[in-house]
Amino acid sequence: DGGITQSPKYLFRKEGQNVTLSCEQNLNHDAMYWYRQDPGQGLRLIYYSQIVNDFQKGDIAEGYSVSREKKESFPLTVTSAQKNPTAFYLCASSIAWTGEREQYFGPGTRLTVT
Amino acid sequence: AQSVAQPEDQVNVAEGNPLTVKCTYSVSGNPYLFWYVQYPNRGLQFLLKYITGDNLVKGSYGFEAEFNKSQTSFHLKKPSALVSDSALYFCAVRIKDRGSTLGRLYFGRGTQLTVWP
Repeated sequence: DGGITQSPKYLFRKEGQNVTLSCEQNLNHDAMYWYRQDPGQGLRLIYYSQIVNDFQKGDIAEGYSVSREKKESFPLTVTSAQKNPTAFYLCASSIAWTGEREQYFGPGTRLTVT
Repeated sequence: AQSVAQPEDQVNVAEGNPLTVKCTYSVSGNPYLFWYVQYPNRGLQFLLKYITGDNLVKGSYGFEAEFNKSQTSFHLKKPSALVSDSALYFCAVRIKDRGSTLGRLYFGRGTQLTVWP
């Protein structure tokens, strides 16, 4: 997990509340990603960012928002519009968007909404 | 459509026996292929990758994988399994298209490997 921190590890929220998940990396990577993991479904891409001040929707962006104001930070907000927000959220980064570079993952945040 | 499949949800093997975790892919260009491992409530850890060259690639913790272009497969293998290898394994594919900036990863659903003593 080295180099990427996610906080908090566990997060509990009431339905209807927005919540922001933190992701910070000190690897000097340009690209950052947010994934959602549900049992038996693998990882699904929510948003990604190739460079600072730029980000793109992934496969399941509805109900989520992000910002990339600093190279090392890529926070994810889960809004009340997300119909089923309870999941394990993983942040990742890579040196570059293209090419053969692998992604490095943070330890994840488990969000429970009741 | 780009996709990657892991046909087995669960693989069980005895300690000391060889293990194989299967992965097949479907892409329109030349693929970059990756294997990751996830321990409970943790992030994914990179194991190995195939970019080009030798079809047999070696990675962390004694794992290796063989790229087979004709069968569009990239199976993960280890000659002798350990109990500590028990984890969730993900195969992923990235497209390598000339002139394209599209570099996202597509993940399989994961295979739970259990190694019993």
